[in-house]
Amino acid sequence: DSGVTQTPKHLITATGQRVTLRCSPRSGDLSVYWYQQSLDQGLQFLIQYYNGEERAKGNILERFSAQQFPDLHSELNLSSLELGDSALYFCASSVGLAGAYEQYFGPGTRLTVT
Amino acid sequence: DAKTTQPPSMDCAEGRAANLPCNHSTISGNEYVYWYRQIHSQGPQYIIHGLKNNETNEMASLIITEDRKSSTLILPHATLRDTAVYYCIVRVDFGNEKLTFGTGTRLTIIP
Repeated sequence: DSGVTQTPKHLITATGQRVTLRCSPRSGDLSVYWYQQSLDQGLQFLIQYYNGEERAKGNILERFSAQQFPDLHSELNLSSLELGDSALYFCASSVGLAGAYEQYFGPGTRLTVT
Repeated sequence: DAKTTQPPSMDCAEGRAANLPCNHSTISGNEYVYWYRQIHSQGPQYIIHGLKNNETNEMASLIITEDRKSSTLILPHATLRDTAVYYCIVRVDFGNEKLTFGTGTRLTIIP
């Protein structure tokens, strides 16, 4: 158990819909990362937040957005869903920025768009 | 981030040492070498990291060549539960904290 929790575990929804994925980082971790893993693209970085502020963006679509709340949990919002958005979405957390901090990953949310 | 090259797959007999190579010939002086693994579709799991010295923890050992252009992850006594995809990642210590995953090495432990 990494200490990172993600809800829900599974999500099935239809094209055009909007969903919210939730992540609670390990206690004390200020940095949260979101990654997407699809069959054809592998594991890809989406976005990072540090202590409530957006820190870095990766290959995140404009239809996707995220935020980190004062209690440090984070949400990833996916809208106007397409079949190609079906994937595993992982959240990871790390304690800080400077230094060789490892990232701890949650169990993921499996999103299926039908 | 420096690009890494890993063999796509490897087999290892249960109980033997598994040695997973990684080439990172364009690594910069401030880039660390990290190893993660992913068992089936679980979240990636941190294994070990290093800068230039060899490192050991309860899971594995990391051997980095003197020129830092390659490294080897060693699982000393592989078990069936070590069957996973292993990712070698190089990353700076500050300024670009994301992990860039390649295709990794699919390690299969044979009973």
